[in-house]
Amino acid sequence: SQTIHQWPATLVQPVGSPLSLECTVEGTSNPNLYWYRQAAGRGLQLLFYSVGIGQISSEVPQNLSASRPQDRQFILSSKKLLLSDSGFYLCAWMGVMNTEAFFGQGTRLTVV
Amino acid sequence: GENVEQHPSTLSVQEGDSAVIKCTYSDSASNYFPWYKQELGKRPQLIIDIRSNVGEKKDQRIAVTLNKTAKHFSLHITETQPEDSAVYFCAATPNTGGFKTIFGAGTRLFVKA
Repeated sequence: SQTIHQWPATLVQPVGSPLSLECTVEGTSNPNLYWYRQAAGRGLQLLFYSVGIGQISSEVPQNLSASRPQDRQFILSSKKLLLSDSGFYLCAWMGVMNTEAFFGQGTRLTVV
Repeated sequence: GENVEQHPSTLSVQEGDSAVIKCTYSDSASNYFPWYKQELGKRPQLIIDIRSNVGEKKDQRIAVTLNKTAKHFSLHITETQPEDSAVYFCAATPNTGGFKTIFGAGTRLFVKA
């Protein structure tokens, strides 16, 4: 069965520092991968999605970028973090056909 | 693109009562409507889903209804228990390129013992 790993679980970073969050999927090939951000008490905001290696679509202009160097690896990055980047980041996997989303454990990022 | 609206944003019920959460969507091409439960500090997890060829689906104490004409779907939880307290998200997946699932803003459900 498919599993999705996301790390780290918690991160405290100073303003202006870089960011790298990693997500990997096991048990499936050519997954559709997603990065969401959830601000405190808010809904899930889609940041990026990827349907294949090197293919990244961005939903909102922002201080973040994403990359997909391998089929089952999805990375969220920033060169310089802002206070407003704080939040709960979730990586998700969905199958090619419309099916449920499987989420990673999430990363709680606090920018100080 | 798709837009999903979810109401209410907060819902407080007494243990044993029913809870209803409603969502509307804009893209008539959407054909898959999942519901997720997110406990505090944890990942969202699917609790029930419905596809556009079905009007109602039930799984023990939870049920979902879909009205494609009106473009709305609802989650019903009966005989609520304190462990039902969580944030619930509805979502709609349009059958267009990108397979993007759009989530509602979430409903924080409190079940008082």
